[in-house]
Parts: sequence; C-alpha cells; structure tokens
Amino acid sequence: NAGVTQTPKFQVLKTGQSMTLQCAQDMNHNSMYWYRQDPGMGLRLIYYSASEGTTDKGEVPNGYNVSRLNKREFSLRLESAAPSQTSVYFCASSEGWTVLTRPQHFGDGTRLSIL
Amino acid sequence: AQKVTQAQTEISVVEKEDVTLDCVYETRDTTYYLFWYKQPPSGELVFLIRRNSFDEQNEISGRYSWNFQKSTSSFNFTITASQVVDSAVYFCALSGGGRGAQKLVFGQGTRLTINP
Repeated sequence: NAGVTQTPKFQVLKTGQSMTLQCAQDMNHNSMYWYRQDPGMGLRLIYYSASEGTTDKGEVPNGYNVSRLNKREFSLRLESAAPSQTSVYFCASSEGWTVLTRPQHFGDGTRLSIL
Repeated sequence: AQKVTQAQTEISVVEKEDVTLDCVYETRDTTYYLFWYKQPPSGELVFLIRRNSFDEQNEISGRYSWNFQKSTSSFNFTITASQVVDSAVYFCALSGGGRGAQKLVFGQGTRLTINP
C-alpha cells in the first residue's frame, strides 16, 4: 500500500550543488506532479506530467528540470541549488490525464535546505 | 487566471466548538472543480472532498460539512464539535476545465488548532 513514495525525506545542500528528487507511484496513475510548499504560500506547482513522455511547466518552474522516466517515476532536478529553493517538495499523482476524475494523491514530502 | 484565497491564516478554538474555514475562489472557467485537503502535523496531504461546479448541493460527512455557493464563489468547510485530532493545516484548491484541469491551484492554507 505504498502509494506515492518520495526519496530522500530530508536533504541539506550547499549553494551551487545539484540534486535529483525521486518520486515513484504504484497506483498506475497517468499524471504526476511536483509542488513546493513554502510558509504562507500554500503549494505551488513546479512541473507536471499528464502522461508518460510529456511534461509541462507549472507556476514556478525556473531553476528546475524534470524527467518522466516511465509511467511510475517522475524526478525533479535542481541543477545549481540556490537558498531560495529551500522548501518542502511534494510529489503527487492522479488517475487519468486530468484531476477531474480523481483527486491527487501526495507523497510524504522531501524537506530540502540549501545553505 | 485562477486564484484561491483562504483569508484565515490561523484559527484556534476549544475542543467541541464548531469552526468554519473560509475559501473564496476566482476562475473564468464554467466547469471547474474544488477540493479540500488536510495536512496534519505529520506533513502528508490527505484528500477530503472534491466538488464540481455543477453541483451546488451541500455535503456532510460525519462532523465535516461543506457549503458551496457559486453566487459568492465560496466553498466553505465546517467542522462540528471539533476534536484535538482535527488540528492541522487545511488547504482549499481549484482546478479548471479542459487543459487547466491538469493543474491544482492551492490557497495559502488555514492552520487550525483545537485546544483541549
């Protein structure tokens, strides 16, 4: 009953370092999403993938890249980490190609600090 | 552009009190979907309810109820006889129809504290 699994759960980076956050879902969902959560800001969409092989920018894509490796996995990469990217990152997935049919299911989050 | 506003940043009540969390949204879509999510102290996001724009019926689930009013663009959430376990951050979210349906726009969240 894993649902959406994110790794790692915590990470500390130095400014300029690169890192990839991993996300995998075992629910056979088509759509996957990456959000960041900052205090007082709610969740903001970084990138999403409506289906395997496609990715689209969300509200705050700058400084990030994504890869939809296969139907199960959707990774988020920070090429040159900046302190402004300190945040909690959530991966989510949903059935179908839209959120219309089913709600999004979220992972437990990755707490990332950039020093 | 779509926008969700949760004007109440923090609410604190005593156990067994009723509490209402406000959510006001903006969208130009005629078809849209509204959601509420709960984020307990452990950090995960838990889906509570989804409502589409064509269904204005209020919904009740145990101690939880939701009031959807298109005339005021509001989708408010009421907890009756609150319990300490209800303490969490609650998010209201919106998705539009068509291509916009792939994306959720979240409000800022309301931190609810239920004191014993």
